[in-house]
Amino acid sequence: LAKTTQPISMDSYEGQEVNITCSHNNIATNDYITWYQQFPSQGPRFIIQGYKTKVTNEVASLFIPADRKSSTLSLPRVSLSDTAVYYCLVGPLRFNYGGSQGNLIFGKGTKLSVKP
Amino acid sequence: DAGVTQSPTHLIKTRGQQVTLRCSPKSGHDTVSWYQQALGQGPQFIFQYYEEEERQRGNFPDRFSGHQFPNYSSELNVNALLLGDSALYLCASSSGGSNQPQHFGDGTRLSIL
Repeated sequence: LAKTTQPISMDSYEGQEVNITCSHNNIATNDYITWYQQFPSQGPRFIIQGYKTKVTNEVASLFIPADRKSSTLSLPRVSLSDTAVYYCLVGPLRFNYGGSQGNLIFGKGTKLSVKP
Repeated sequence: DAGVTQSPTHLIKTRGQQVTLRCSPKSGHDTVSWYQQALGQGPQFIFQYYEEEERQRGNFPDRFSGHQFPNYSSELNVNALLLGDSALYLCASSSGGSNQPQHFGDGTRLSIL
């Protein structure tokens, strides 16, 4: 499975737009890019998922360039409650049982601190 | 619609003991995965269960074992506990036939004394 690289930490202020970039140079053709958010002592929460170009939902946007070797999670107008660790993962969307695919490989994530 | 539920929320054990953690998947999900998350680290995949069988396994010793029941719920068993087994144990569920992402529970915090 592709390895990802993210900044260890980022600081921002309330109301700002935050962009977290993830590098995944070895992404495979059938890999999707998924972002999770995790608060202390809670399980990761799905944020957004995409394959190419741009994906937007009610909480975030995901920008993926044509070569797919990186992706950027964009959080518009962050608030204090967005302070969390954000994980970028790449892997096949559909889990193939009995093979080497399907499990999620998490890195250390990006610790986002939003200040008032 | 309940999400993924795990029990207990906290547990304290001593070295050498055995522990069983439990997970009920989100309604409609038939696949359960277990992860170990040490303090300050990302979750590490332990294994995945589907149709009551272990389908995939991460780099964890045989002391870690599991089970999935006909109602899709699952157990994680750890034998001969070590201090290094202290971690947050996360359960995630998904539907094997869909393209939807995994949903995580809030985990069981296991402390080994």
